[in-house]
Amino acid sequence: QLQLQESGSGLVKPSQTLSLTCAVSGGSISSGGYSWSWIRQPPGKGLEWIGYIYHSGSTYYNPSLKSRVTISVDRSKNQFSLKLSSVTAADTAVYYCARGMDTAMAFDYWGQGTLVTVSS
Amino acid sequence: QSALTQPASVSGSPGQSITISCTGTSSDVGSYNLVSWYQQHPGKAPKLMIYEGSKRPSGVSNRFSGSKSGNTASLTISGLQAEDEADYYCCSYAGSSTVFGGGTKLTVL
Repeated sequence: QLQLQESGSGLVKPSQTLSLTCAVSGGSISSGGYSWSWIRQPPGKGLEWIGYIYHSGSTYYNPSLKSRVTISVDRSKNQFSLKLSSVTAADTAVYYCARGMDTAMAFDYWGQGTLVTVSS
Repeated sequence: QSALTQPASVSGSPGQSITISCTGTSSDVGSYNLVSWYQQHPGKAPKLMIYEGSKRPSGVSNRFSGSKSGNTASLTISGLQAEDEADYYCCSYAGSSTVFGGGTKLTVL
């Protein structure tokens, strides 16, 4: 059974960079046919897609966040990461990592989510 | 890209059927048969219920069904049960990006 687990700092100061990692177990991040995504949810609000990275290494980002986002993969550790720069209070959210099915463009496995608060 | 439009809330009694709509544009829902639906209970991660518009992942009840017409996708839940009470989100591929709906709170009366 595939499992995803987010980790990283739960508190980030304004203007700094948010960094999160998603450890994948029960399967290889290098398997073809899947993408690896970050999705966030501000408290009490809806889901927002941040971006994904394909097994080929290609990345796609939400246009509204593109200038501040970097998603990368560490195949040796079977994990992928998110960096979001110049954060503000509006970036406070639960951040989820998820696996996407390439052809279906749907997210079939999710991590439990981790709350990141942006505050001084 | 703008969020897909969903009703804020819907409700139904046990045993009834409800339908949640998800309206997009010709750049997302209307152009691709790649709409997915997610169920989210409070404090939990979303769960995939429907993908490619109408396909159910293994283990999802056949009480859940999806369809699409033009720029609008729909999720129908038949035989409502208490455990169906949750938030539901639609999601569509939009050509090198993905967009979610604002979410619909389903209340089982």
